[in-house]
Amino acid sequence: KNEVEQSPQNLTAQEGEFITINCSYSVGISALHWLQQHPGGGIVSLFMLSSGKKKHGRLIATINIQEKHSSLHITASHPRDSAVYICAAPTQGGSEKLVFGKGTKLTVNP
Amino acid sequence: ETGVTQSPTHLIKTRGQQVTLRCSSQSGHNTVSWYQQALGQGPQFIFQYYREEENGRGNFPPRFSGLQFPNYSSELNVNALELDDSALYLCASSLNPGGDNEQFFGPGTRLTVL
Repeated sequence: KNEVEQSPQNLTAQEGEFITINCSYSVGISALHWLQQHPGGGIVSLFMLSSGKKKHGRLIATINIQEKHSSLHITASHPRDSAVYICAAPTQGGSEKLVFGKGTKLTVNP
Repeated sequence: ETGVTQSPTHLIKTRGQQVTLRCSSQSGHNTVSWYQQALGQGPQFIFQYYREEENGRGNFPPRFSGLQFPNYSSELNVNALELDDSALYLCASSLNPGGDNEQFFGPGTRLTVL
């Protein structure tokens, strides 16, 4: 069974700061997901990556398959980035069952 | 192209009752996964349906059951509700099964069991 750990659990930043959220997993996987959840509850898929790096606007996700570690970076953070960020990985390989981290609650103050 | 929708948005039930939650997949998606998210926790995988068949199940008792219809919409049924079933229930659709397919989430149904 894959264990997915995220850090930090809570993160407070000032507007404009560079943010890093970390995710580690215990079993080799085919892809890792980064998700964003706003207070209303809805979840948005930010990235799905299996190697290297992906960028979308101010968001960058990286993954190191050998070290079983992924990071989500936010450049020039903004109060609207305040949300819970969750990483998720299959229980093993390309299994249909996703295991989720507990999430990182990010608060960006103006 | 419409996104994933869920109904109802909120629901209040009492212990022992039964509930049915509904999910409409994104157009062209044949796979639906259901998740339970307790307050302050990450989502937990309940089960997945692919082309109307159950395709994997998490650690949930048999009173959690589901259906997928020919149009790939889906239902989650929970019998004999317990207080601990209070949670946000999320469904997500994807083009295909497998954890290497991007999942598109609905807004969730918040269930409260009294």
